[in-house]
Amino acid sequence: GQQLNQSPQSMFIQEGEDVSMNCTSSSIFNTWLWYKQDPGEGPVLLIALYKAGELTSNGRLTAQFGITRKDSFLNISASIPSDVGIYFCAGQLYGSSNTGKLIFGQGTTLQVKP
Amino acid sequence: SAVISQKPSRDICQRGTSLTIQCQVDSQVTMMFWYRQQPGQSLTLIATANQGSEATYESGFVIDKFPISRPNLTFSTLTVSNMSPEDSSIYLCSVGGAYNEQFFGPGTRLTVL
Repeated sequence: GQQLNQSPQSMFIQEGEDVSMNCTSSSIFNTWLWYKQDPGEGPVLLIALYKAGELTSNGRLTAQFGITRKDSFLNISASIPSDVGIYFCAGQLYGSSNTGKLIFGQGTTLQVKP
Repeated sequence: SAVISQKPSRDICQRGTSLTIQCQVDSQVTMMFWYRQQPGQSLTLIATANQGSEATYESGFVIDKFPISRPNLTFSTLTVSNMSPEDSSIYLCSVGGAYNEQFFGPGTRLTVL
């Protein structure tokens, strides 16, 4: 089946540092989404992207929809301890909007050292 | 975004038994989905819950093992049947938003002994 390759798999950083993670695929997507999952919770939507080249911010988070429509990245600036969690990218394949289905990346586990 | 609740939040079950998980949404939604998240893994789509008709299952998931009901536009159930320890996972329901996004419930943590 279709796959999203998300990297890095995990990160351990110092508080205040910036973080970058990305997702790539060999397929074209019409939507890219970034979620955060805290322990014991369901994923929470952080940012949604709908156009190639689109750059969107949500506070200290910035995400971009790649020009080729096959990738996306998420940046977190000036990390704080509450940024700890698992970040997932998700995409909707081009031509599948009527199904509503998403494909998820493998996740990036972020740990922040105070 | 819609407010989504799931019951139970967690359960410990014996192998061979079945568990039915409920998903309730505070508004009518067209699309509802069920996912499985195995320990330390990403989310895998089980099926799309269709209102008034049979669910659409993904490859590797069958109705006999994961029967789904969707009696109306605000409610759905997923049953995990004849459970084995390999079924120990988090089960998540989600609903489709207006712009291809999905919003998730808090999940049901299932442990099978």
